[in-house]
Amino acid sequence: DAGVIQSPRHEVTEMGQEVTLRCKPISGHDYLFWYRQTMMRGLELLIYFNNNVPIDDSGMPEDRFSAKMPNASFSTLKIQPSEPRDSAVYFCASSSSSGRWNTGELFFGEGSRLTVL
Amino acid sequence: AQSVAQPEDQVNVAEGNPLTVKCTYSVSGNPYLFWYVQYPNRGLQFLLKYITGDNLVKGSYGFEAEFNKSQTSFHLKKPSALVSDSALYFCAVRLNTGGFKTIFGAGTRLFVKA
Repeated sequence: DAGVIQSPRHEVTEMGQEVTLRCKPISGHDYLFWYRQTMMRGLELLIYFNNNVPIDDSGMPEDRFSAKMPNASFSTLKIQPSEPRDSAVYFCASSSSSGRWNTGELFFGEGSRLTVL
Repeated sequence: AQSVAQPEDQVNVAEGNPLTVKCTYSVSGNPYLFWYVQYPNRGLQFLLKYITGDNLVKGSYGFEAEFNKSQTSFHLKKPSALVSDSALYFCAVRLNTGGFKTIFGAGTRLFVKA
C-alpha cells in the first residue's frame, strides 16, 4: 500500500484566498483524522471521521475551516478565507478499527505545509 | 481534562548511552498509549503501543516503553542510542470516549551526539 497520500505538499497563498488540502487514506481504513502542527501549539486534532461521517469537529478553529469526506478514499480540508495565522503543517492520518485489539494506531501522511502571506 | 504531558522539550544523550524520553498522562479508565517519531519534514511514524498485559512493551528500532499505572507514566527507552535516533518524539493517548480520538503530547526533541 502507498500509505496515506496528501496533496499539495507545499502551498503558498495570500491572505483571503481559499485553500483546499487533500487526503487519500490507506485502503480499508475506516477512520480519518486531520491534525495541524505548529511550533506554538504542537499537534492539534482538528476533526476526525469514522466511515466517512464526522465524529468530532471540536478542534476546528472557526467557521473558516471545513472538512468533508465524500467517500472512503478521499477527504478535503478547506480554509476560506485563509489568514496568516493559519500557516502550519496539516497532517492527515488514517486508522483501522479491525483486528483483535482494535488498537487504533495512526498512519500519517507526509503533511501539507501551508504558508499564508 | 484528559491530557498528555512530555516534561522535557529536549533530551541530549551521547551515542551508545541509554536514553529515556518521559511521558505522563491524565486519562480516565484504562488508556491506550502510543509513541510516535517524526523526522524532519516527514509525517509521524508509529513506534510502539501499550494496550494491556506486560508493562514493558517493545517496538521498532530497538525502542521500548514502560507503562506504570500508579505513576500514570509511559516513558520511552532505548538501551543504546544511535545518532540516527535524533528526531522528535511524541507520546499519545487514545481517549476512552468510544471512538478513536487520539491526543498528543507537545513532543520531545532527542539529540544524540556522536
